[in-house]
Amino acid sequence: GAVVSQHPSWVICKSGTSVKIECRSLDFQATTMFWYRQFPKQSLMLMATSNEGSKATYEQGVEKDKFLINHASLTLSTLTVTSAHPEDSSFYICSPRTGYNEQFFGPGTRLTVL
Amino acid sequence: DQQVKQNSPSLSVQEGRISILNCDYTNSMFDYFLWYKKYPAEGPTFLISISSIKDKNEDGRFTVFLNKSAKHLSLHIVPSQPGDSAVYFCAEKGGSAPLVFGKGTRLSVIA
Repeated sequence: GAVVSQHPSWVICKSGTSVKIECRSLDFQATTMFWYRQFPKQSLMLMATSNEGSKATYEQGVEKDKFLINHASLTLSTLTVTSAHPEDSSFYICSPRTGYNEQFFGPGTRLTVL
Repeated sequence: DQQVKQNSPSLSVQEGRISILNCDYTNSMFDYFLWYKKYPAEGPTFLISISSIKDKNEDGRFTVFLNKSAKHLSLHIVPSQPGDSAVYFCAEKGGSAPLVFGKGTRLSVIA
C-alpha cells in the first residue's frame, strides 16, 4: 500500500486567515492526489484532483479560488484554504492515486475556524 | 442523487454476534466495491473489496456479498468484537476514477 502523511493533524484559526495543509506520499510517487473533506456525520466528498505539474480540477460546488491546490512534486501536494470561514470547518483528507484497486488515505486534518 | 447509499446511519450489535452492514448503489459501471473503516479524526482504513465479477469475498472475520441484480452489497463481520466499533463506509470504484463513498454506518459492538 501507500503510506501518506498529513500536516498539521489539527488546526484552529480565526475567520479570514489562510491555512495550508500538506499531504505527503512517503513511499509512493503520486502523480495524482485526491482531496476529500468530511463534514460531521456526512460522507467523504471529493473536492478536487491535483496533478503534478498542472492545474487541479475541482468538483462542482468547490471554489477553486478559495481552495488552492499545489502539487509541486511527486511526493507533496498542498491544500490552502484562503480566507477561511466557520463553514469551512471540516476534516480534510488526501489520497494518492496508485495502481492498487484500493485507495490509501492520509490521517486527515481537522480544521476549525472560529 | 447519491450513487452509493447506506441507509442505516447506525447499528448496535452484541459482542460475538454477527454485524451486517448494507449498501445500495445506482451505477452499474464499476470495477470494485470497497469497504473502509474509520475512527473519529483519522483517515479511513481499507478493509475489504469485491470485484464486479464476483459475488462473495472473504477475509478472516469479514465477508462481503455482492448482489448485482439488486444493486446491493453487504459486509458481514462475525464474530463482532468491541474493537470493530467504528464508522464503516462503502465505496465504489470505476477504472482510475476516485472512490465515491456512501454516508457511512456507525457500528457499536457492545461487550
